[in-house]
Amino acid sequence: GESVGLHLPTLSVQEGDNSIINCAYSNSASDYFIWYKQESGKGPQFIIDIRSNMDKRQGQRVTVLLNKTVKHLSLQIAATQPGDSAVYFCAESFSIQGAQKLVFGQGTRLTINP
Amino acid sequence: DTGVSQDPRHKITKRGQNVTFRCDPISEHNRLYWYRQTLGQGPEFLTYFQNEAQLEKSRLLSDRFSAERPKGSFSTLEIQRTEQGDSAMYLCASSFYPANYGYTFGSGTRLTVV
Repeated sequence: GESVGLHLPTLSVQEGDNSIINCAYSNSASDYFIWYKQESGKGPQFIIDIRSNMDKRQGQRVTVLLNKTVKHLSLQIAATQPGDSAVYFCAESFSIQGAQKLVFGQGTRLTINP
Repeated sequence: DTGVSQDPRHKITKRGQNVTFRCDPISEHNRLYWYRQTLGQGPEFLTYFQNEAQLEKSRLLSDRFSAERPKGSFSTLEIQRTEQGDSAMYLCASSFYPANYGYTFGSGTRLTVV
């Protein structure tokens, strides 16, 4: 399943399928990006980050892709599990030395169907 | 040290009262951030500290809001003369600069102004 982030804030996928969550960021000068997962009543949980000098980074079951030409970021989650159900936020930051304030997107609610 | 701690988790207050929240960052982190999150939205930056110095404040931080980090460790966020519009989740995050790893959020303090 695939979402367009700000324009389609919900995504439902079958357990075991791969999911792709998209995000359009706003500042072409942003040089650091983070994906967060947020479960109800909890703070955002770091998933994966990427710097602007990279276009892909992989973690455990997650991959982040960055396309600076069109200011687009995506999070791919492989073999989704029920525990992946949450709201996912992308965040961007512009900084010369280290991340300062993060600017968050609206978020996408991911629901995993059994 | 298990992460960023925030206290209290929930606060209900009457309009016009003052409230204070506390954040204990990850011990080796020298940067501390405050964010505010309303229902269905991503967190919005309020202010951040590097050690005890407050380096940036958002225009969202009206003069009823004040934040301190007196010894460069824990921080407090005070809201004076609370208004119903202050009802939100107040999130604290910390990171280590200049290596810039581990931008970690706490679980937040949910404020309800009645």
